[in-house]
Amino acid sequence: GQQVMQIPQYQHVQEGEDFTTYCNSSTTLSNIQWYKQRPGGHPVFLIQLVKSGEVKKQKRLTFQFGEAKKNSSLHITATQTTDVGTYFCAGNRDDKIIFGKGTRLHILP
Amino acid sequence: DAGVIQSPRHEVTEMGQEVTLRCKPISGHDYLFWYRQTMMRGLELLIYFNNNVPIDDSGMPEDRFSAKMPNASFSTLKIQPSEPRDSAVYFCASSLVWGQGAPQYFGPGTRLLVL
Repeated sequence: GQQVMQIPQYQHVQEGEDFTTYCNSSTTLSNIQWYKQRPGGHPVFLIQLVKSGEVKKQKRLTFQFGEAKKNSSLHITATQTTDVGTYFCAGNRDDKIIFGKGTRLHILP
Repeated sequence: DAGVIQSPRHEVTEMGQEVTLRCKPISGHDYLFWYRQTMMRGLELLIYFNNNVPIDDSGMPEDRFSAKMPNASFSTLKIQPSEPRDSAVYFCASSLVWGQGAPQYFGPGTRLLVL
């Protein structure tokens, strides 16, 4: 069946360092969404990518959708303590959404 | 808008008891989703509704789980009888449309512990 794999599972970075999480699908996706979940909180929608090769930016966050629409990445530049949380990708295909297991980001002060 | 509302926020119960989780979606959203989140399995879609009609319940673990949506502003997820392995955070989410990847808005979740 359709799978969405996300790596790494955990990431510890020093505050100020960059961070990247990767999302890979076994099948071509219609679009991909990214969510952030703070510790003890609920997933919050960040962005949606639809087009092949699309790149979107939100301040220090850069989102990319692969040319084959099977993979995506989220890059955070110069992490801050407010970036702590778990970042999920969610792949959409045939009206089905599959969430990756997320990458948990820890920031070391 | 108040966002998606879930109750209770925390539930502790004993094995064998019935558990009912409640959700009020964002007004005007036609789609409602129930998810379960655990460390081991991550975020799993259990069931979703469109205009109060269940569309895909393939994620419902077993017959002990049931979900209803009697009207556009209310849904329940019931577990009867509950088991310790049902301990998890249960999220309800709603969205305006579906199929085009519209964002989902999640409620705060119900943290369920079955002893």
